[in-house]
Amino acid sequence: GIQVEQSPPDLILQEGANSTLRCNFSDSVNNLQWFHQNPWGQLINLFYIPSGTKQNGRLSATTVATERYSLLYISSSQTTDSGVYFCAGRKTNFGNEKLTFGTGTRLTIIP
Amino acid sequence: DSGVTQTPKHLITATGQRVTLRCSPRSGDLSVYWYQQSLDQGLQFLIQYYNGEERAKGNILERFSAQQFPDLHSELNLSSLELGDSALYFCASSVCSDCGYGYTFGSGTRLTVV
Repeated sequence: GIQVEQSPPDLILQEGANSTLRCNFSDSVNNLQWFHQNPWGQLINLFYIPSGTKQNGRLSATTVATERYSLLYISSSQTTDSGVYFCAGRKTNFGNEKLTFGTGTRLTIIP
Repeated sequence: DSGVTQTPKHLITATGQRVTLRCSPRSGDLSVYWYQQSLDQGLQFLIQYYNGEERAKGNILERFSAQQFPDLHSELNLSSLELGDSALYFCASSVCSDCGYGYTFGSGTRLTVV
């Protein structure tokens, strides 16, 4: 199966700062998603982005499929952005469609 | 509320016991996925069902089994529980078998084995 590496593993920022989280894949994927797990454990789907760029408010994501990586940008960080950010990918083979998660980036925003 | 309902939210049980976790997918979703999140293993895919049929299998132990019922809710059965089975168990649902959009997680069941 594919391997998913995320960096950095931990990030501590002051409120208002910007950040970039990276996700590398060992193989090409045709399904790539970013999730946020808040401090209460809830997993929220942020982006479905197998290629290209998407934006949602202060968050945006870019995937360069040919180079097997994706970036998540968070601008003007707020304390509510704290939590763990996961990327996950899937290389679809019919009958084996599991989503593989990275180990996450733990983001802490300090007021 | 994500629309995916998991019960119970918390479960404490003894080693050797058997438990059943329940998941009701979001209305209209046909796929249900089960994941285990532990401190040392991260988020691990266990199994997927699509419209009542098993679709994909991950690192699911033989002591674990699952099924999806005609009303599309799913149950994950964990038996002969060990201390190492303590984890957060998530289910997620999506409308199709291989779609990245609309992949929605429930709030999880925290299982503690003592």
